[in-house]
Amino acid sequence: NAGVMQNPRHLVRRRGQEARLRCSPMKGHSHVYWYRQLPEEGLKFMVYLQKENIIDESGMPKERFSAEFPKEGPSILRIQQVVRGDSAAYFCASSPPSRWDEQFFGPGTRLTVL
Amino acid sequence: QQPVQSPQAVILREGEDAVINCSSSKALYSVHWYRQKHGEAPVFLMILLKGGEQKGHEKISASFNEKKQQSSLYLTASQLSYSGTYFCGTESTGNQFYFGTGTSLTVIP
Repeated sequence: NAGVMQNPRHLVRRRGQEARLRCSPMKGHSHVYWYRQLPEEGLKFMVYLQKENIIDESGMPKERFSAEFPKEGPSILRIQQVVRGDSAAYFCASSPPSRWDEQFFGPGTRLTVL
Repeated sequence: QQPVQSPQAVILREGEDAVINCSSSKALYSVHWYRQKHGEAPVFLMILLKGGEQKGHEKISASFNEKKQQSSLYLTASQLSYSGTYFCGTESTGNQFYFGTGTSLTVIP
C-alpha cells in the first residue's frame, strides 16, 4: 500500500524559471493538501483540493503560484518565475473522502532557488 | 491566526515528562498533533474533536479545552525516539486549518 508520493524529492531552479511539484495521493484518497515549510519555520497551509476542484486556496500567494488536481494524474503545484524566497520544503498530504482531519504526508519536495 | 505553541524548545533526559501547549485566538473545532523529525515529513499523532476530549496512545496523550481554545500534548517517560519538532494543527470555523509555530523536543540519554 504505497503512501503519498511526491516528486521530485529535490529540485533546483534558477531565478525566473518555473517549478512543478507533483503529488500522488494514497490509494482511495481524493483530497490533497499542499504545505510549505520555510527553513527553521513551521508548516504553512497553502491549498486544499479535491479532484478538479479547489476547495480552499487561502494560503496561496496571490501571484506566481497555482495548483491543480486533475481527474487523472497527480496534483501539481506550479511556481512561476521562482525567486530565492521560494526555497523551501513543499509537503503534500492526502486524506480519504470526508476525512480531511486524517492527513498522511508525502516525503516532501525540497526546492532550492539559486 | 497561526496557533502559538509553548515552549518553543525543550530538552529532556530519557524518562522525564514534558507538556507542549497550543493556543489559538480563534474558536476551534478540532486540534491535531504531528511530530516531524529533521529532514522528514510530519507524522500524524492524533486528532481531538470539539467536546473537550482527551486521547492517548502509548505514553503520548493530549487534551483539548475548547473553551480556552487550547490543547496540550503530554509526553511521559520520554524516549530518545520522541525527539523531533511537534506541531499542533487547528481547525476553526470555515474549515480554516493552520499549523502551530512548532516545539523542538530533544531527548538526551
